[in-house]
Amino acid sequence: DSGVTQTPKHLITATGQRVTLRCSPRSGDLSVYWYQQSLDQGLQFLIQYYNGEERAKGNILERFSAQQFPDLHSELNLSSLELGDSALYFCASSAKAGGLSFSYNEQFFGPGTRLTVL
Amino acid sequence: AQKVTQAQTEISVVEKEDVTLDCVYETRDTTYYLFWYKQPPSGELVFLIRRNSFDEQNEISGRYSWNFQKSTSSFNFTITASQVVDSAVYFCALTDNYGQNFVFGPGTRLSVLP
Repeated sequence: DSGVTQTPKHLITATGQRVTLRCSPRSGDLSVYWYQQSLDQGLQFLIQYYNGEERAKGNILERFSAQQFPDLHSELNLSSLELGDSALYFCASSAKAGGLSFSYNEQFFGPGTRLTVL
Repeated sequence: AQKVTQAQTEISVVEKEDVTLDCVYETRDTTYYLFWYKQPPSGELVFLIRRNSFDEQNEISGRYSWNFQKSTSSFNFTITASQVVDSAVYFCALTDNYGQNFVFGPGTRLSVLP
């Protein structure tokens, strides 16, 4: 058990809908990362938050947004869902990143949320 | 653009054999980070190692070792005396100093047979 929790485990929804995926990092970890894994695109980094602020952005679509709350949990919002958004969404957390520069400390991954868009 | 190539799609070895997973990357940055992740059949992702571009020392962790060669833009991963539990998909990844342009390779599926 990595200590990172993600809810829900599975989500089935229809095209055009909006969903929210939730991630709780390990206790004390300030950084949260979101990844998407699909058959078509492989594994992709979406976005990173550090202590409530966006730190790095990857291949995140405009229809997707994320935020990290004061209690450090994070939510990934996916809207206007398309069939191609069906994927496994992972969250990871890591300990404090030093200074202003990007510093990828060891990441601990949650079990993922499997999203199916019908 | 940054790119990671893992030319080996699938590898099968017999238990106790050594196996090397290749990773070749492309970047124009002078400062960057390289990673290896493991995804066992259960589906979770496991972070294995991070290496920054200024640290060319090879690293050994138990049966795992990593060979970073800037001259050939490679960051290869070797498992010594492989075990069935090593069966997984292994991903190599690259990012710049600011966490932008984070790119994963397509993965190498390793099967270790008893």
